[in-house]
Amino acid sequence: AQSVTQLDSQVPVFEEAPVELRCNYSSSVSVYLFWYVQYPNQGLQLLLKYLSGSTLVKGINGFEAEFNKSQTSFHLRKPSVHISDTAEYFCAVSDPINDYKLSFGAGTTVTVRA
Amino acid sequence: EPEVTQTPSHQVTQMGQEVILRCVPISNHLYFYWYRQILGQKVEFLVSFYNNEISEKSEIFDDQFSVERPDGSNFTLKIRSTKLEDSAMYFCASSRNRDNSPLHFGNGTRLTVT
Repeated sequence: AQSVTQLDSQVPVFEEAPVELRCNYSSSVSVYLFWYVQYPNQGLQLLLKYLSGSTLVKGINGFEAEFNKSQTSFHLRKPSVHISDTAEYFCAVSDPINDYKLSFGAGTTVTVRA
Repeated sequence: EPEVTQTPSHQVTQMGQEVILRCVPISNHLYFYWYRQILGQKVEFLVSFYNNEISEKSEIFDDQFSVERPDGSNFTLKIRSTKLEDSAMYFCASSRNRDNSPLHFGNGTRLTVT
């Protein structure tokens, strides 16, 4: 079984500042990793995913994440945030056999202030 | 872009009542899922559905829960006799294939059991 820990429940950040959301996972098998975003009153939208290959993954809206196998991490970054990035961000993991069965982290709420 | 739609957005029901949550997956998707998020807790996998039958379910998905695809477009989650602890946000998702195919989530239905 896999599990995910998101180390920060709340991240306040000023507009145009960088942001990093931390995610660590545990698994006894190889993993697929995902970041989802949930804007207010909306569903979960896929930001990016790591399946294999390059450990640096670029997603939508200027986000990127780096898979670090030795540190079992998949941190999400954006060099310059906008007000519209205010949302809740979820890290999730699955195994390649059951890649539809996501185990989610508790979420990180990002609040961008002017 | 095609979306997964869920209705209603908010459902209030009394304990012991039956409730049906409705979802319209993306039209060319073949795999369907329900997840839920109890307030303050993680998003959890409930069930996956393919070819008109359940392909996998979690331990949460007990005999009180059932899923159905009554026609070519709808995918429903029924809770037979609701309990207070069923109060949660329920997310429907669909994917085109099973392997390496991203899940597309709906906006969720907030179920409140009183």
